[in-house]
Amino acid sequence: NAGVTQTPKFQVLKTGQSMTLQCAQDMNHEYMSWYRQDPGMGLRLIHYSVGAGITDQGEVPNGYNVSRSTTEDFPLRLLSAAPSQTSVYFCASSSGLGYTFGSGTRLTVV
Amino acid sequence: KQEVTQIPAALSVPEGENLVLNCSFTDSAIYNLQWFRQDPGKGLTSLLLIQSSQREQTSGRLNASLDKSSGRSTLYIAASQPGDSATYLCAGASGTYKYIFGTGTRLKVLA
Repeated sequence: NAGVTQTPKFQVLKTGQSMTLQCAQDMNHEYMSWYRQDPGMGLRLIHYSVGAGITDQGEVPNGYNVSRSTTEDFPLRLLSAAPSQTSVYFCASSSGLGYTFGSGTRLTVV
Repeated sequence: KQEVTQIPAALSVPEGENLVLNCSFTDSAIYNLQWFRQDPGKGLTSLLLIQSSQREQTSGRLNASLDKSSGRSTLYIAASQPGDSATYLCAGASGTYKYIFGTGTRLKVLA
C-alpha cells in the first residue's frame, strides 16, 4: 500500500515555465488537497477536491490549476512559474477521517 | 475566516520531561482535529486524529484532547525523548475536508 505518491521530489524551474506536479493515491479516498509550505507561514491550502470531477479553490489558488479526472490522481499545474512559487508542495488525501500526506515536492523557481 | 494558533512556537526541554503543546482555533466549530509531526526536510506524519464525536485520543506516550466549547486542543507528550525532536503541527477542519494548519511548535529534547 503506497499511500500518497508525489513526483517529482525536487524541481528547478525558470521564471515563466510551466509544469505539473503529480499526486496519486491508492486508498480510494474521496478528498484530495494541495498545500504549500513556506517558512513562518505554515501550510496553506491551494486547491482541493471532494471527488472526481469536483475541485475548488483554497486560500492561495492564484497561479495554479487542478483537475480531478479520476479518484486516484490530482495533478497541480503551475501555469507560468514565478519566484514567489518557490516552496515545498504537499498533496494529501482523506476519506473524511483524517489526512494522509505525500512526501512533498521541493520546487525552486529562478 | 478560521485561524489556528500554536503556542509555544519553539520549546527546548531536557529529556524525560512531560510537556504540553497548545493549539487554538478562532472558530470553535471544529469537525476533525489532527496532530502531525514533521521532521526537517520531510513530510507530515499523522500522530493522532480526534473525530467529531470524540474528545481525546491516546497513542503510546502521546495524548491529544479537544475542547470544542473553547476551540482549543492540547498535545501531551509524556517522558520526552531526543527522538521526539521535531515540529508538531495541528490542523482542524470545520468541514470534513478543508484543513487549516497552525504554524507549528518546534520541539527540541536535549539528551
